[in-house]
Parts: sequence; C-alpha cells; structure tokens
Amino acid sequence: AQKVTQAQTEISVVEKEDVTLDCVYETRDTTYYLFWYKQPPSGELVFLIRRNSFDEQNEISGRYSWNFQKSTSSFNFTITASQVVDSAVYFCAVGGSQGNLIFGKGTKLSVKP
Amino acid sequence: EAGVVQSPRYKIIEKKQPVAFWCNPISGHNTLYWYRQNLGQGPELLIRYENEEAVDDSQLPKDRFSAERLKGVDSTLKIQPAELGDSAVYLCASSLSFGSGENEQYFGPGTRLTVT
Repeated sequence: AQKVTQAQTEISVVEKEDVTLDCVYETRDTTYYLFWYKQPPSGELVFLIRRNSFDEQNEISGRYSWNFQKSTSSFNFTITASQVVDSAVYFCAVGGSQGNLIFGKGTKLSVKP
Repeated sequence: EAGVVQSPRYKIIEKKQPVAFWCNPISGHNTLYWYRQNLGQGPELLIRYENEEAVDDSQLPKDRFSAERLKGVDSTLKIQPAELGDSAVYLCASSLSFGSGENEQYFGPGTRLTVT
C-alpha cells in the first residue's frame, strides 16, 4: 500500500524567509512518481512538479526547489524568499504503476508580510 | 487552453436529497478522475475513467453514488440520497492518458457540497 506523510500540519513564516515542506512516502512499487500540488484559498489544486523514482536529481524552478532522497523516502519542497502569494495548502502525492495518486494530508503555509 | 471545468461551485442541500456534479475535462485528456476532499485532508479517489469506461471504482460508495462519462468527455457524479457525511469538496481531474502514472493530473476548482 502507498502512503504519504506530511508531518507539518501548519507553518507560519514572515515574508522573505526560506521554508521547507517535508514529505515522506511509502510504496512497494519499484517505479513510482512523486508530485507536489498547491491549493490556494480558491480551492483549485495546482500542479507544481512530478519526479520519477529513477531520477534523483534535485530540481530548481525559480524560488522553488525539490530534494528527492530515495534512501530516506523523502521528497521535500523548499520555497526560497517566501512571498505572501505562496500562502496555500501544499500536498505531496505518490503515484505507482497503476497511476492512482495517494495524497498526504497537506501542509498549510502562511506567509505574513 | 481551458482547464478542467466543474459546476456548480457550491451546493447546499438537505439530507436525503439528490445532488449531481458536472465536469468537463481538458480537451484531449482521455483519463478523468473524481476525488472527494474532506476538510483538512488530501483528495481521495472515488472513480477513474479511461475514455467512457470506469476502470477503477473500488472506492465509490455504490449504494448511493453513481457516475457516468458519456462519449468519453463530460462526466457526472451523482449522490442519491445525500447524507450529512457527504459534505466535502468534490474534485474532478483529468490527464492525458493512464497506465504509467507519469502523466500529471490537472484539477478543476471543485464543488463544495454542504448537506444539512
């Protein structure tokens, strides 16, 4: 069975601080995919990134970066120089060969000006 | 390119009443998903369609929930009769194709259902 744990329920930072959102996953699939989604107050889940299990390279996209470590089954997400617009609930998800996504419970990020 | 469209955005009904949600996926996306998101939780899959075929409905409470995807495009999710515990956000998502799991899913804005 697959499982995603996002231990941080809520995080509050001040604008321009860096913040890391943790994600630990469990899966028995040898090939799997990891995702991060952002859910702003409007409610729509916005796709941020997909990472394949065989590609452990870290990725940077503007102020966002992702650290994938297979040895610890973690796929952490860092926002550098946070902004108020980053305030949202962030979900980590794992998808296996069957494709269905299993989501974590999410981390609510509040960025205060 | 238009995203996933859902309607209505909000619905308030009394328990035991029926309710239906509609979803129009991104053009060209063969796979359509319905998720339920309870407050403070992540989305949970209810049903997945490949074109017009429901290929995974194992999590759909079939005694009161039904879904259809006529012609492999739009989809409707129905609850009859609704119960208090059905209050949640119902999300529709679509992806290019299924099978490998590598295709990201794009979500609609959801329908927030309140059952009183």
